[in-house]
Amino acid sequence: GAVVSQHPSRVICKSGTSVKIECRSLDFQATTMFWYRQFPKQSLMLMATSNEGSKATYEQGVEKDKFLINHASLTLSTLTVTSAHPEDSSFYICSASKKVAEETQYFGPGTRLLVL
Amino acid sequence: SQQGEEDPQALSIQEGENATMNCSYKTSINNLQWYRQNSGRGLVHLILIRSNEREKHSGRLRVTLDTSKKSSSLLITASRAADTASYFCAPCLSASGGSYIPTFGRGTSLIVHP
Repeated sequence: GAVVSQHPSRVICKSGTSVKIECRSLDFQATTMFWYRQFPKQSLMLMATSNEGSKATYEQGVEKDKFLINHASLTLSTLTVTSAHPEDSSFYICSASKKVAEETQYFGPGTRLLVL
Repeated sequence: SQQGEEDPQALSIQEGENATMNCSYKTSINNLQWYRQNSGRGLVHLILIRSNEREKHSGRLRVTLDTSKKSSSLLITASRAADTASYFCAPCLSASGGSYIPTFGRGTSLIVHP
């Protein structure tokens, strides 16, 4: 199997607080993890790609100081939304691939973030 | 951009009918993948078709790829109410690090009425 989990599944926070979202590969080691965000009825937009032990590669237009990504182990990547604001409210989805150059990604169930 | 664009944006059919969704993209690709997303949930990988393949089957799913037209289609035969979901195509190109990064369109919202 290839199961990816995310925690929490949903979070509501006040504007100005920081929120950490975890992405775990449960039954495999993920060489690469990806973070996406999705607005209602919109496509998934890739935010960043992270490899274990190295700095994440951010897509153009994504603020690296705003969205901190840490890929500390082969089974865990975290996305921290720093000083969240209402416009950061979105559905955040991670995915993972088992090996470099693997064609298929395995997606987590997503985290719904609502910033009040 | 290699982002896929799905057509139609919404499709409503009766159970038992076939559902066809189309996808177009703009650049050369290594492969194209179709995903399904239930409302408010993550994506489920359905099928992958490589650039040198023209057609692929998986259960009730049939995917075609025409690289000359830069288009793909997903056919769901004998649809069921449980097929209700959004379907995304994702053209993939190998990135510099070797990863295949799918790029998603807005998807086709399929509703199958029982």
